[in-house]
Amino acid sequence: DQQVKQNSPSLSVQEGRISILNCDYTNSMFDYFLWYKKYPAEGPTFLISISSIKDKNEDGRFTVFLNKSAKHLSLHIVPSQPGDSAVYFCAASPFGGSARQLTFGSGTQLTVLP
Amino acid sequence: NAGVTQTPKFRVLKTGQSMTLLCAQDMNHEYMYWYRQDPGMGLRLIHYSVGEGTTAKGEVPDGYNVSRLKKQNFLLGLESAAPSQTSVYFCASSYSIDRGNQETQYFGPGTRLLVL
Repeated sequence: DQQVKQNSPSLSVQEGRISILNCDYTNSMFDYFLWYKKYPAEGPTFLISISSIKDKNEDGRFTVFLNKSAKHLSLHIVPSQPGDSAVYFCAASPFGGSARQLTFGSGTQLTVLP
Repeated sequence: NAGVTQTPKFRVLKTGQSMTLLCAQDMNHEYMYWYRQDPGMGLRLIHYSVGEGTTAKGEVPDGYNVSRLKKQNFLLGLESAAPSQTSVYFCASSYSIDRGNQETQYFGPGTRLLVL
């Protein structure tokens, strides 16, 4: 049973437009959420995160929105650039424990068309 | 500053063979992790370590063992490889919970393993 779901395996967007990647979760214990970006033949790299006490976090062209009641988060990239083409993973972490373990979604392949 | 490095990059094993994957980090991180990534699935945590000499099981630990004899190294062992262990393996490291941002993990480039 996947606790973190990314229902869109792929997304194509024109350069300059907004990219919106979505993620849903089922575990109410998750209180910290992250987005990672992955290029082929490389490891994932951290992009942006949000705590459950917030509903929005912004970093340059990247904004993450969290809707706790819907157990939904989204990543907005604006404007989208060809270099943004990558696989984006959503991850979530529950409070507590000796190490906050990340649960990852299956990823969304974003293609930004020039 | 190399970050997180993994050895080897690619390996082919026959069923029943054993091997060890090596992960090294030079960021003085306290925590280290081993994940596997399979097609259509996200990364799944195999084992992790919160410090030298300590290890713990993650979501999918069966068939793997780990050791953390030095702070900078985290080894993943397959005692008797099975075709189901064909995957891409990622190592990661992070600061401890006490130092904050433990959730932000830094990943290596991955090891592609094929078990025939």
